[in-house]
Amino acid sequence: KNEVEQSPQNLTAQEGEFITINCSYSVGISALHWLQQHPGGGIVSLFMLSSGKKKHGRLIATINIQEKHSSLHITASHPRDSAVYICAVEIQGAQKLVFGQGTRLTINP
Amino acid sequence: NAGVMQNPRHLVRRRGQEARLRCSPMKGHSHVYWYRQLPEEGLKFMVYLQKENIIDESGMPKERFSAEFPKEGPSILRIQQVVRGDSAAYFCASSPQRTAISGNTIYFGEGSWLTVV
Repeated sequence: KNEVEQSPQNLTAQEGEFITINCSYSVGISALHWLQQHPGGGIVSLFMLSSGKKKHGRLIATINIQEKHSSLHITASHPRDSAVYICAVEIQGAQKLVFGQGTRLTINP
Repeated sequence: NAGVMQNPRHLVRRRGQEARLRCSPMKGHSHVYWYRQLPEEGLKFMVYLQKENIIDESGMPKERFSAEFPKEGPSILRIQQVVRGDSAAYFCASSPQRTAISGNTIYFGEGSWLTVV
């Protein structure tokens, strides 16, 4: 079993829909990152969380440390949001990221 | 302030040749990480370096792979005697300090795509 599990693996939605991507992890962490990878491959860091909730524009990320679970929400989704979203955790005591398999999101106009 | 710069973006090597991938971190960043993304797989940690020091190389294959981050110049990931299985995207990332402690996020380069033929 992977230390970081994301769901769903693939998600297709219509423009305007509210999107939720989930991430569960099984190890002690010091922080959790949400990343975005577009076709062509570049990776952008969206959020780094160690507790609570963060919001940036139409993106919201939450984390529940007790339940070892995080969610990434996209409100009013748009075709330009189409990308692979990756959850990554920093293992406690180590300065390296362990990644989920990613969620491929497609937003249709 | 330029982002994390990786070059080359694309590299083709024949089996047995050497591949050198370079990463210049963001200005002011002294922590560099290398990650590998095999085709249809997730990203995997390879190595974490600070200037002139390898801090954690637990994700590096034991043979043929090496990394350095000299006092001057970019970080280099070197793959000797490449094989087809080395074909992957190699991403470099940098941060100014330990991210979880400092609250600083991590910045990724655009990646270097290695194809071994």
